Amino acid sequence: GNSVTQMEGPVTLSEEAFLTINCTYTATGYPSLFWYVQYPGEGLQLLLKATKADDKGSNKGFEATYRKETTSFHLEKGSVQVSDSAVYFCARSNTGNQFYFGTGTSLTVIP
Amino acid sequence: DADVTQTPRNRITKTGKRIMLECSQTKGHDRMYWYRQDPGLGLRLIYYSFDVKDINKGEISDGYSVSRQAQAKFSLSLESAIPNQTALYFCATSGPMTGETQYFGPGTRLLVL
Repeated sequence: GNSVTQMEGPVTLSEEAFLTINCTYTATGYPSLFWYVQYPGEGLQLLLKATKADDKGSNKGFEATYRKETTSFHLEKGSVQVSDSAVYFCARSNTGNQFYFGTGTSLTVIP
Repeated sequence: DADVTQTPRNRITKTGKRIMLECSQTKGHDRMYWYRQDPGLGLRLIYYSFDVKDINKGEISDGYSVSRQAQAKFSLSLESAIPNQTALYFCATSGPMTGETQYFGPGTRLLVL
């Protein structure tokens, strides 16, 4: 079964709104955690990552903190822009660096 | 130039046809992966390879085969395409260490009629 569960979309926000996309995982040990972004018509790009508990990944105003106690890696951004409209995927890796992806959350930001 | 390239970018084929999707990378990575993306299901791993002599099945390998022709090339074949293989296919590469980022190609959109 899928070991990464993320908030279902679609999510529609107004520009400058606060964004949270929830992601939880199941795993043994200490997986690395990732957020990828997919813009329309493109492949997946790494947005940010964290490799150990309490690490915070950040990029382009997005942040996510590796919370081992709640097995979560929620994505946040304080003020979204129209250009942030995309599909966001949470993922974790295992010891063999196989990745397990969530189902993706579509975000649309309206002006 | 892109680090991970896929050909073709789009393909329409008929049920029962054999087709091959190709992936090339210039990142010098040993590890390569094939995924398919379906709406509402995210990405699912089809096959992966940790070096030229290593091939492993992923979550959904039935109906697919792969060939690792060289470190830089990893091909995915559908021996006899069926309509439920209509999807977006992605190739990815990564370095050898646990927790390394996977780098994705632009995808191949496949339609099986």
